[in-house]
Amino acid sequence: GAVVSQHPSWVICKSGTSVKIECRSLDFQATTMFWYRQFPKQSLMLMATSNEGSKATYEQGVEKDKFLINHASLTLSTLTVTSAHPEDSSFYICSAYPGLDNSPLHFGNGTRLTVT
Amino acid sequence: DAKTTQPPSMDCAEGRAANLPCNHSTISGNEYVYWYRQIHSQGPQYIIHGLKNNETNEMASLIITEDRKSSTLILPHATLRDTAVYYCIVPRYNNDMRFGAGTRLTVKP
Repeated sequence: GAVVSQHPSWVICKSGTSVKIECRSLDFQATTMFWYRQFPKQSLMLMATSNEGSKATYEQGVEKDKFLINHASLTLSTLTVTSAHPEDSSFYICSAYPGLDNSPLHFGNGTRLTVT
Repeated sequence: DAKTTQPPSMDCAEGRAANLPCNHSTISGNEYVYWYRQIHSQGPQYIIHGLKNNETNEMASLIITEDRKSSTLILPHATLRDTAVYYCIVPRYNNDMRFGAGTRLTVKP
């Protein structure tokens, strides 16, 4: 149980275009979903927290107009990287919280974005 | 977050127990300790979590000291597939997981 599906697993796009990444909780409802970014040889960095039906909360230094997050249902959150540039190339990972006290987060398998 | 400190790297022989330490001396009374691992180019995998009692599941055991200022994750019989970066996290809230540098465990044949 507790499977989080992330799609696509990898994507290559041209500079200036936008890319949407989907994160789905397959067998549970996620009250909160999180988006992380990971550069090579670094740890995961939290980008934003999204609660279903409300605006996402972004971490300091993360541009909310560039990284659009939509959490329209309890099983789906999307991250759109707008006007992507080569420096946005990274490994993007989502996680979902079932909403039960002290339950762990469940993570997707990540999306590797390469902007050319 | 309660800050956690982990050694940057460790080696372990295949078939032996891997003991990964974590220091969390500023942990508060109601904060849990969570362990995740990340195998190269994959999303983090949940391993185990605990509050103050020792915990065991099919993957690992978690030993938390009585004062709760440190813990040890034990993989009883490490295999090559256990080579990964292991993260010890004490979140501020139930669900606010922020990752430090972790410990890179290399299991050697």
